[in-house]
Amino acid sequence: GENVEQHPSTLSVQEGDSAVIKCTYSDSASNYFPWYKQELGKRPQLIIDIRSNVGEKKDQRIAVTLNKTAKHFSLHITETQPEDSAVYFCAEGNTGFQKLVFGTGTRLLVSP
Amino acid sequence: GAVVSQHPSWVICKSGTSVKIECRSLDFQATTMFWYRQFPKQSLMLMATSNEGSKATYEQGVEKDKFLINHASLTLSTLTVTSAHPEDSSFYICSARGLGDEQYFGPGTRLTVT
Repeated sequence: GENVEQHPSTLSVQEGDSAVIKCTYSDSASNYFPWYKQELGKRPQLIIDIRSNVGEKKDQRIAVTLNKTAKHFSLHITETQPEDSAVYFCAEGNTGFQKLVFGTGTRLLVSP
Repeated sequence: GAVVSQHPSWVICKSGTSVKIECRSLDFQATTMFWYRQFPKQSLMLMATSNEGSKATYEQGVEKDKFLINHASLTLSTLTVTSAHPEDSSFYICSARGLGDEQYFGPGTRLTVT
């Protein structure tokens, strides 16, 4: 069945450092991989996504890489800022089935 | 664009009563909406997929008679928690799928059953 493992569960970095969160999935049919940021008590916000025909995508300080062979994808945040502190969720989906399966989340804390 | 609203934002109800939560896509039409529940410090667990004009598809372990879903229009889906019990207390979040694969989330409804 569908399963997404996400690591680490918590990540503490100093302001300006880079942060990397990795997810591994099991469904070889998955072809859509979004990342969401959720602040405490608020809705998840889509921050970046990647599709299986692309290996890497970048948007300013945020980048996502995808390795379909190994079935894993990673979120990279460079030059972290305190406002990056939040819980980050990866997800995987299949456009044919529409639904997303979420990872367990990573609590990122960026200290000034 | 792609704004999803949810109402109410929080609700407290007594055990045994029913609660209805509304999810609306404000500036786009959503043929598919999704309902999730999220316990504190946990991930989002998909409860059901709601398709406009047809019956919802429930995930394994989710009681369809307890969590009634209606998707009567392209901009509105409702979730009714029937005969609520304290263990139903949770954060319920809906999402709506846009033209592509993206899902846009509502602000969530915090349900407390006393």
